[in-house]
Amino acid sequence: GDSVTQMEGPVTLSEEAFLTINCTYTATGYPSLFWYVQYPGEGLQLLLKATKADDKGSNKGFEATYRKETTSFHLEKGSVQVSDSAVYFCALRNFGNEKLTFGTGTRLTIIP
Amino acid sequence: GAVVSQHPSRVICKSGTSVKIECRSLDFQATTMFWYRQFPKQSLMLMATSNEGSKATYEQGVEKDKFLINHASLTLSTLTVTSAHPEDSSFYICSARDSRNGRTRTYEQYFGPGTRLTVT
Repeated sequence: GDSVTQMEGPVTLSEEAFLTINCTYTATGYPSLFWYVQYPGEGLQLLLKATKADDKGSNKGFEATYRKETTSFHLEKGSVQVSDSAVYFCALRNFGNEKLTFGTGTRLTIIP
Repeated sequence: GAVVSQHPSRVICKSGTSVKIECRSLDFQATTMFWYRQFPKQSLMLMATSNEGSKATYEQGVEKDKFLINHASLTLSTLTVTSAHPEDSSFYICSARDSRNGRTRTYEQYFGPGTRLTVT
């Protein structure tokens, strides 16, 4: 079956540091890949997505590239801010299917 | 836009009692809503897909008689945990798919903030 493996947290970084959160997946077919973010007290929000190999999703300074050869979708940001502190979830959805398969989530804390 | 609320945000109940959790789409209609369960340090697990006006579709291994889902209107789905036991303690999250014209094909789900259930 489909599965998503992401970097275990928690991750603590200083402001303006470079961020990478690793995500790899196993799936049949041709999945779409997503990063969701959950700020304290709020629901998951879609951060970015990519629907086919070599696509790059980007939003709010975050980027992730769909790498089919390595089955990865790592999240990166060049300079993090305190406001980026949240839990980040990697997820996939197979073509024509509504069902989302999530990773375990990575808690990110940015200190000033 | 696309806000989903859940009520309550936290609930503590005694073993053997039933608890109802509400999921509402506040500014859009949702013919389809989803219920997830999240254990500590684990991923969100889809429990069931709720369709307005029809029976929910449960994932394998989820007891439909224990987790009753009702989706009686286009903006409200409820999850009732019946005869709750301590092992039902968890974080329950709902999501809703926007049913407005032209948006259903994107399959995007909007998530509620979750409900923390503790059964003592």
